[in-house]
Order: sequence, then C-alpha cells, then structure tokens
Amino acid sequence: QTVVTQEPSFSVSPGGTVTLTCGLSSGSVSTSYYPTWYQQTPGQAPRTLIYNTDTRSSGIPDRFSGSILGNKAALTITGAQADDDSDYYCVLYMGSGITVFGGGTQLAVL
Amino acid sequence: QLQLQESGPGLVKPSETLSLTCIVSGGSITSSSYYWGWIRQPPGKGLEWIGSIYYSGSTYYNPSLKSRLTISVDTSKNQFSLKLSSVTAADTAVYYCARHGANGYNWNNFDQWGQGTLVTVFS
Repeated sequence: QTVVTQEPSFSVSPGGTVTLTCGLSSGSVSTSYYPTWYQQTPGQAPRTLIYNTDTRSSGIPDRFSGSILGNKAALTITGAQADDDSDYYCVLYMGSGITVFGGGTQLAVL
Repeated sequence: QLQLQESGPGLVKPSETLSLTCIVSGGSITSSSYYWGWIRQPPGKGLEWIGSIYYSGSTYYNPSLKSRLTISVDTSKNQFSLKLSSVTAADTAVYYCARHGANGYNWNNFDQWGQGTLVTVFS
C-alpha cells in the first residue's frame, strides 16, 4: 500500500520561511494527485489551506503557497507567525475515489 | 451556513459495531457538487480517510477498512451514516464527517467539517 510521507516535525523562526513536503513511498507526486494541505490546531477540525496543488482556499492568506518541488508536493509558509504553530497534513488522490492522508508535520514557530 | 454534526455512542465494546450519523443542516445533501465523507483521528495521531458517499448512494471506501465498513445516505433526513463492524481498540478515534468536492481537482478538499466525536472502544 502506498504511503504518503511528511516530515514528522519542523521548526521555523517568527518571520521566517519554511517549506513542508509531501511525498510517496514509491514514485513521484504530481499535480495528478491533486495535493491538498490542511492545518489543524489542538481540539479543532482541520481546515483547508491549499487544494489542487496551489489553489488557496477562501480566506487563506497569501503567505501560504503550494507547489510541486522535484518529486514532492510542497507547502511554503512565508513570514511565519506564532499562530502558524500547528499540525499540517497533506492528502493525495490515488484514483478510483481513494484518498490518502500523510502522517502530518508538527510545525513549531520559535 | 452549512453545518455538519456527528452523533452516536461514545463508547463501543470490542467486536461490536460502531454506528455514527452526520446530520447536515443549512444546505442540501443532494447537491451534485459534493461527496460526503468520514475521517478519523486516533488520539495523538494523524488523520485517516474512512470513506465517502454521494447522495445517489455511490460509495468509495478505504481499502484497509472496506471489509468492515458501510456508509449510507438518507436524503429525506439530510444525513449520512457510518457503520464499522468488529471494532477493536485500534478503532478508538475522533470521528469527523466532512464535505468534499465531487471532481478530481477538488476531491481532496474537505471544506466543511463537523466538530468531531470521540468514540472509544472499551470493554
């Protein structure tokens, strides 16, 4: 079974830039997987940041951006703020209606 | 404003069937633009897609759960339901219902979520 891989943890300084990635245990991520990124804070449901690789969800600031970098999907946060301290999940579409979440990245802003 | 609300028992015994319902308000479950899905999150762990259903009854299931899973829809009540049989402690999780797009480019976009409900498998 294909595994969606993410960095378990990452840290960034306030005002800094960080790129989180989303890969596959076998193969490369492309736009055909329609990568989507979620942010989740403790006790809350996730919210969509980016869908279809690089489309920002309504109300999401432009310091969040999505792309394909090499063989992975990427979420870049530019000018990190304290409230970006959250868990981030990517999800990929595998075809035939099957969706797989990555294990998540715990981002610390410090 | 669309709202989703999960309901069901918070405790289930091992080997029994977990049953949850998601009540949709502020919008119609028969919208042609959306599927309705279930996602779960074990305590302290990541998210797992369980399965999705269209108002017509068309379903897609996580292959790892398919043998134990039934998702159904009741358009007259504007709700959809989850049944997971033969549960074990590994099925203990917060269960979310959510809406997502019906097309490839937005299939992964779960844009409206319920608040989630914790289901504990406990004897």
